[in-house]
This record gives sequence, C-alpha cells and structure tokens, in this order.
Amino acid sequence: GEDVEQSLFLSVREGDSSVINCTYTDSSSTYLYWYKQEPGAGLQLLTYIFSNMDMKQDQRLTVLLNKKDKHLSLRIADTQTGDSAIYFCADSGFGNEKLTFGTGTRLTIIP
Amino acid sequence: GAVVSQHPSWVICKSGTSVKIECRSLDFQATTMFWYRQFPKQSLMLMATSNEGSKATYEQGVEKDKFLINHASLTLSTLTVTSAHPEDSSFYICSAQDRPKGETQYFGPGTRLLVL
Repeated sequence: GEDVEQSLFLSVREGDSSVINCTYTDSSSTYLYWYKQEPGAGLQLLTYIFSNMDMKQDQRLTVLLNKKDKHLSLRIADTQTGDSAIYFCADSGFGNEKLTFGTGTRLTIIP
Repeated sequence: GAVVSQHPSWVICKSGTSVKIECRSLDFQATTMFWYRQFPKQSLMLMATSNEGSKATYEQGVEKDKFLINHASLTLSTLTVTSAHPEDSSFYICSAQDRPKGETQYFGPGTRLLVL
C-alpha cells in the first residue's frame, strides 16, 4: 500500500525558517497536503498542492513538490511560538478517495 | 466556512457499554465523511469511509460490527463503538468532503474516548 514518511522531530529557533520534509510512494497521487495538529485538537488544513505543480506559496508557507523523487516539503518563514504543533503530510492517492497520512513531525520552537 | 463539529469532545465509559460519536458538517453538505483513529503520538489511521445513504466502506482490519457507522443525512454521520473495551480507548476524528472525491477534507476537532 501507499506509504508516507516524515522525520519525527524538528527544533527551530524563533524567527528562523522551518523546513519539514515528507516522502511518499504513490506516484499517482493527485494532491498532497499539509495539516497542522495542536495538542488535543483535530487537524487544520494548512495548504495543499496539485501534483502537476512544483511550488505553492501562501503567506508564510511555501510548499515544494519534487514529483520525480516523490518528495514534499513545507517551509514556514519567520517561525513563531504559535507554530509549535505536529505537522502531517498526506497524499490523496489517485482519485481523492482517501488520504494516507505521514507519521507527523513535531515542531518545537526554541525561544 | 467548511466547519465540522464532533460531539462529544470526550467521553469516559465502562467496559461493555456502547458509545455514539456524532460528526456534523455545519455549513456545507458532506457527500462523504471519513472516520479516523489516532493513538497517542501516532498518525491517523483511516477506519472507514461513509457516503450518505449507503453502507460504509471499512478499511482492512476494522471490525464492521464493532464500529457501526451511519451516514443518514448530508450533514451527519455517527460512529458507534459497540461493547467498548479498554483497547478501544483512542482519539477519534472525523472529516468531510463537500463533493465526491473533492480535493479537500475538513476535519472535526476529535473525540477522546476512554474506556475503563
């Protein structure tokens, strides 16, 4: 089946940029997503990218997609304490029938 | 827009009882809703996909008779954990799509279940 992998932890100093990486195996994925989960809460959709795009920017967020290497990244510029959370990448597979989530990356902000 | 609510937000029950969790799309009609389960410090695992007016599609390894899903209307899906046991304790999250195979799933805030 499909597999989505992420590193488990990332620590970044406040004000620096955070880059969270994700690799996936399903080459037929139509969309790839980034979700944010704060403690005890559900998932907040941050952004998503269509598979025929290389990059998408939305305010402080930049998504890069390397379809050849099946690599997705999320860059958060000017990281703030409120960005502390777990970040999940997910892929839709072909046809958007269901999402496969990565393991999640816990982002910790160092003051 | 695109708000999904869940009720209750947390529930504690005795082993052997049944618990019902509701998932509602508040400002849109959800043709498809999904139920996920999340263990502490782990990722989300899809349990089942439900389409309004039809039977849910369960993922491999998920017991249909234990986790009953009803998607009776375009704004409500329910998950009933029957004869709950301590190993069913988990965080249950639903999501909804506003159109079939739409590109976005909107997630509810989750329901934490603790079975004693």
